[in-house]
Amino acid sequence: GAGVSQSPRYKVAKRGQDVALRCDPISGHVSLFWYQQALGQGPEFLTYFQNEAQLDKSGLPSDRFFAERPEGSVSTLKIQRTQQEDSAVYLCASSLTIRSGANVLTFGAGSRLTVL
Amino acid sequence: AQSVTQLDSHVSVSEGTPVLLRCNYSSSYSPSLFWYVQHPNKGLQLLLKYTSAATLVKGINGFEAEFKKSETSFHLTKPSAHMSDAAEYFCVVSGINDYKLSFGAGTTVTVRA
Repeated sequence: GAGVSQSPRYKVAKRGQDVALRCDPISGHVSLFWYQQALGQGPEFLTYFQNEAQLDKSGLPSDRFFAERPEGSVSTLKIQRTQQEDSAVYLCASSLTIRSGANVLTFGAGSRLTVL
Repeated sequence: AQSVTQLDSHVSVSEGTPVLLRCNYSSSYSPSLFWYVQHPNKGLQLLLKYTSAATLVKGINGFEAEFKKSETSFHLTKPSAHMSDAAEYFCVVSGINDYKLSFGAGTTVTVRA
């Protein structure tokens, strides 16, 4: 597609529920990133995929967070047993090349999660 | 490790006047620096990037930024603000061979008619 698509755009979950957030990157983009943006703050790195390989998951806040990209294109971020502190906008980004701080990332509009 | 500090959480300007958004960075090696803009309900959009070439970087929509190593700064400017410039702006740093981006806390720009 022309851009990075994320769904759902808005999700309200009751505390303890599981949620799944989907990211469709730009076709052919090798690298895929997830970031978490809490209200009033800048995005923070969660995890990085190169094709289907998850090369870095050091930013995932707890073992309740899990991300996958099984075929090297669509990615899903899953949060189990959601807590109120998980409320945030979850941003997905992709880039054509691998590694390199000079990469330009294309971001999706984000999925806003509210945990009640 | 690298980090950025955006010195102003909120900037208000009149339409047609200059805009200055201040950013200081910290990096143990040659950084790549970016400015991204975020409009409500829209994805982050790249304004410009610095990757060790020219220190004065021109971006989209009339924005430019100057990399000053001696001051560890990367301030964003625009000569004349437009109403459509109202948005959240993020200064971002990464290492030259590092895929992780470190974002500042953001600066909210409002433009008065």
